Amino acid sequence: EAGVVQSPRYKIIEKKQPVAFWCNPISGHNTLYWYLQNLGQGPELLIRYENEEAVDDSQLPKDRFSAERLKGVDSTLKIQPAELGDSAVYLCASSPGWTGASNEQFFGPGTRLTVL
Amino acid sequence: GENVEQHPSTLSVQEGDSAVIKCTYSDSASNYFPWYKQELGKRPQLIIDIRSNVGEKKDQRIAVTLNKTAKHFSLHITETQPEDSAVYFCAALGAGFQKLVFGTGTRLLVSP
Repeated sequence: EAGVVQSPRYKIIEKKQPVAFWCNPISGHNTLYWYLQNLGQGPELLIRYENEEAVDDSQLPKDRFSAERLKGVDSTLKIQPAELGDSAVYLCASSPGWTGASNEQFFGPGTRLTVL
Repeated sequence: GENVEQHPSTLSVQEGDSAVIKCTYSDSASNYFPWYKQELGKRPQLIIDIRSNVGEKKDQRIAVTLNKTAKHFSLHITETQPEDSAVYFCAALGAGFQKLVFGTGTRLLVSP
């Protein structure tokens, strides 16, 4: 079974530029999460999707961050414009959701963003 | 909302020793407590989890205990090996349902 796929793995941009991250969850997983992980810290939830609906985006800085999951499968996370403080690892995770017996979340490899 | 505290931040042990990492949580409604292992530059991977209706769970050299009254849970690794060296994160599933709140991590170093 393929795991959660993310691209790109690394991204270096200059401040004020836009950037986008892509995530393909495990097949059949209804719930998709985007997390931010700063160096030396645990992941922090940015947004959670149940199918195509964003059910928890309370931690997403909506002035510059946006996300979508149009067909309830793949998702993109965008930052526009990027700031120096956005440098971090952006993790995508998925779980079976309410249809599954497990709460386990499966993480992708992450995208390491560096803003110069 | 849920708040998770984790201690210690770093832990150094000799190969073969036991290691214990402790976490406390604030939301008494939390009902699921996973532990993730993250090696440098890699994704977090689940190593063990426990639900609130269970007090202890074991899987070979690792075990997790949960004290709901005190709102704390612990990870126990016995017979540690150098390949156990990594950062370990505890987490709690808060009242927001399926919203995992992570601790700040423990860097475990197992010396041969």
